[in-house]
Amino acid sequence: NAGVTQTPKFRVLKTGQSMTLLCAQDMNHEYMYWYRQDPGMGLRLIHYSVGEGTTAKGEVPDGYNVSRLKKQNFLLGLESAAPSQTSVYFCASSYSGTDTQYFGPGTRLTVL
Amino acid sequence: SQQGEEDPQALSIQEGENATMNCSYKTSINNLQWYRQNSGRGLVHLILIRSNEREKHSGRLRVTLDTSKKSSSLLITASRAADTASYFCATDSSYSGYSTLTFGKGTMLLVSP
Repeated sequence: NAGVTQTPKFRVLKTGQSMTLLCAQDMNHEYMYWYRQDPGMGLRLIHYSVGEGTTAKGEVPDGYNVSRLKKQNFLLGLESAAPSQTSVYFCASSYSGTDTQYFGPGTRLTVL
Repeated sequence: SQQGEEDPQALSIQEGENATMNCSYKTSINNLQWYRQNSGRGLVHLILIRSNEREKHSGRLRVTLDTSKKSSSLLITASRAADTASYFCATDSSYSGYSTLTFGKGTMLLVSP
């Protein structure tokens, strides 16, 4: 089992560019999450999904969109990147909303 | 908003010593979880303690929960250099009508040989 995987691992964007981060899990989990981690801020929930085709906003959703077309995949999109979106992005999955979460290795994104 | 808050923000100890970090939260919870993050890596689940439990052990880890004080502590006994990491507590929360977890800002633990 690969667990939770994320692609890419690193990315540098220019302001205004767009990109999509891909998260995949092979544990048949219903819930999937996207977090961002900034120094001194801990983990903040961006968006999450409670099942295929269903997404919900987290604590800091502005500037991001998500899609969950297949149960095993959860995509995070940045339509017009801004320097404030420079961060490390983590994907996670779990059976239920308050169950143990399994994290991917992270994507380090820099927006110039 | 952040539910759990860890204390201290940073902790530096020698190998063999015990490390204690605390988590305080604001509203009632169903369970509380502790996670570990090695530098540059994803978080890894350590232990989950339910609201009706007071103490739980896993190897060198001991977690306590005091719901009356809305606090939890994580004790790592006989620490090793490999325990150097950030430790986060996570509590129940809710965004957009579904239950999720909220993570604190973490305690950075440095264990020196």
